[in-house]
Amino acid sequence: DQQVKQNSPSLSVQEGRISILNCDYTNSMFDYFLWYKKYPAEGPTFLISISSIKDKNEDGRFTVFLNKSAKHLSLHIVPSQPGDSAVYFCAASAPGGTSYGKLTFGQGTILTVHP
Amino acid sequence: DGGITQSPKYLFRKEGQNVTLSCEQNLNHDAMYWYRQDPGQGLRLIYYSQIVNDFQKGDIAEGYSVSREKKESFPLTVTSAQKNPTAFYLCASSIDWTGSSYNEQFFGPGTRLTVL
Repeated sequence: DQQVKQNSPSLSVQEGRISILNCDYTNSMFDYFLWYKKYPAEGPTFLISISSIKDKNEDGRFTVFLNKSAKHLSLHIVPSQPGDSAVYFCAASAPGGTSYGKLTFGQGTILTVHP
Repeated sequence: DGGITQSPKYLFRKEGQNVTLSCEQNLNHDAMYWYRQDPGQGLRLIYYSQIVNDFQKGDIAEGYSVSREKKESFPLTVTSAQKNPTAFYLCASSIDWTGSSYNEQFFGPGTRLTVL
């Protein structure tokens, strides 16, 4: 049962344009969402997060939008740069009991930014 | 510098052998985690530990074992019972487990295990 889904395995974008990565979830108990960036043969690095009490969080070129009614979040990168080329994972966390702090990850989306 | 180290970067083992992957953190984090990543799949949780001398099974614990004798160390043993052990293994840690789900995890560089 895939509770967090990234339905686009890959995305190709021209440098300077906007990259939009999407993520859907099914568990209504999730209340914190994170995006991680991962280069090949390296560990993921934290990018940006959002709690369920907000619908938008911005950090420089990165903005995450949360639509709770649709159980959907998206990561916008503007402007996209070749160095942004990586795999992007969304992850979600739910409160309560032994689930505190446990992250559920999507399958990842490979972003390629062309010069 | 504070961080998480995993060793070795690449590991080769013969089928039927147990192998232990190292994970050390000097971030003074209470919670530690082990994930595996397979091509086309997200990170799947193997085991996690919220405090020394305590750990819990994750979603795919079969064929794996862990220990948490020290706060900074959380080694993972891949046993011969694990049917598909070849994968990229990632260790992570977070500040604490208690009270909040707003708990960013920090990852190590990973170990690529190949079973021949």
